[in-house]
Amino acid sequence: IAGITQAPTSQILAAGRRMTLRCTQDMRHNAMYWYRQDLGLGLRLIHYSNTAGTTGKGEVPDGYSVSRANTDDFPLTLASAVPSQTSVYFCASSVSSGGTDTQYFGPGTRLTVL
Amino acid sequence: GQNIDQPTEMTATEGAIVQINCTYQTSGFNGLFWYQQHAGEAPTFLSYNVLDGLEEKGRFSSFLSRSKGYSYLLLKELQMKDSASYLCAVRDRDYKLSFGAGTTVTVRA
Repeated sequence: IAGITQAPTSQILAAGRRMTLRCTQDMRHNAMYWYRQDLGLGLRLIHYSNTAGTTGKGEVPDGYSVSRANTDDFPLTLASAVPSQTSVYFCASSVSSGGTDTQYFGPGTRLTVL
Repeated sequence: GQNIDQPTEMTATEGAIVQINCTYQTSGFNGLFWYQQHAGEAPTFLSYNVLDGLEEKGRFSSFLSRSKGYSYLLLKELQMKDSASYLCAVRDRDYKLSFGAGTTVTVRA
């Protein structure tokens, strides 16, 4: 089934550990995004990629890094997790970053940092 | 950046109409989106407005006034399955989306 997959579904992580959240899409979308969703704050953009090989910083990039080696994959890495990074993380993709292209969201990863 | 405001919660009766307002302030406007998000699930696209006026899609309609920095999502003939959070999102000149905190709509029988 075409769409976006994320892994893991949920994770409990000790503070200071390194963690990579995986995101894969099979729709050949050029643009991909990572958001975090916290109660009362809505979705906030962490990093984005308009096309393979390029990435950019969103609203809350500190403590996170991304890479876009190919069209399909867009992993998000927490180099040294902190409790404030406890959140639900959504990956999204769109055909392009402009026009009427809507973003399609993956199922999310619930991350708890203790 | 964007400043997006929408009510936190709304409650309505099955079969009724509910209007969710969204106001925004932006340094560069490039479209407004509405998403629906059921509890524990991913947001799903509902509507897109870039020009002033009303866009109708079945039971859901969305309105935009760029001069007023205002949009609303109208849900008609409410059904129990419409109980969800509704997210207003504004796209800026760099094509990045900023989301409001969401409006939780509860539909009662």
